[in-house]
Amino acid sequence: SQQGEEDPQALSIQEGENATMNCSYKTSINNLQWYRQNSGRGLVHLILIRSNEREKHSGRLRVTLDTSKKSSSLLITASRAADTASYFCATDGNQFYFGTGTSLTVIP
Amino acid sequence: EAQVTQNPRYLITVTGKKLTVTCSQNMNHEYMSWYRQDPGLGLRQIYYSMNVEVTDKGDVPEGYKVSRKEKRNFPLILESPSPNQTSLYFCASRDRGRNTEAFFGQGTRLTVV
Repeated sequence: SQQGEEDPQALSIQEGENATMNCSYKTSINNLQWYRQNSGRGLVHLILIRSNEREKHSGRLRVTLDTSKKSSSLLITASRAADTASYFCATDGNQFYFGTGTSLTVIP
Repeated sequence: EAQVTQNPRYLITVTGKKLTVTCSQNMNHEYMSWYRQDPGLGLRQIYYSMNVEVTDKGDVPEGYKVSRKEKRNFPLILESPSPNQTSLYFCASRDRGRNTEAFFGQGTRLTVV
């Protein structure tokens, strides 16, 4: 399988804390994307980082990419209860592959 | 509004009874794909299509068929469903080219008994 792997599989934090999720992948990529999924619903695109970028910000989201280690991280700062969801990385190379996801619970 | 529409949202069927899950997008995207999502396994690609009349197998194509006769539609066909095809299915579309995001439908929860 060429899927990415997210770490941790599950994460539980208090509201206001930061949440960090990691993604490792196997193939060369054009870009890496992060998606969010509320329970049982479709995935929604959060942020895209290109292979020649190392860091990208969007609101409370910060994404890093290390192509030499084939890894990426997603940081959500000042988390809110509404951030409770599953988060997936997706690698975009010759094909589009999703990781196994991190389930984030933010406790009010 | 830009969207990917799947139907039905929920479906319970019996083993062996052919079914079709429809997917339609209104963004004129060339690329469409189907995924199944199972606990602990993430999203696995079933089939994808780079354009009209062009389809290819993904990671888990066995037991599924697709067709792409029109750009906007990409139905998923289960000729003879089996219980191991019980899953949550997603259709997605994206524009051609690099660095484009995927748009997902709301999902179809299929139960085969």
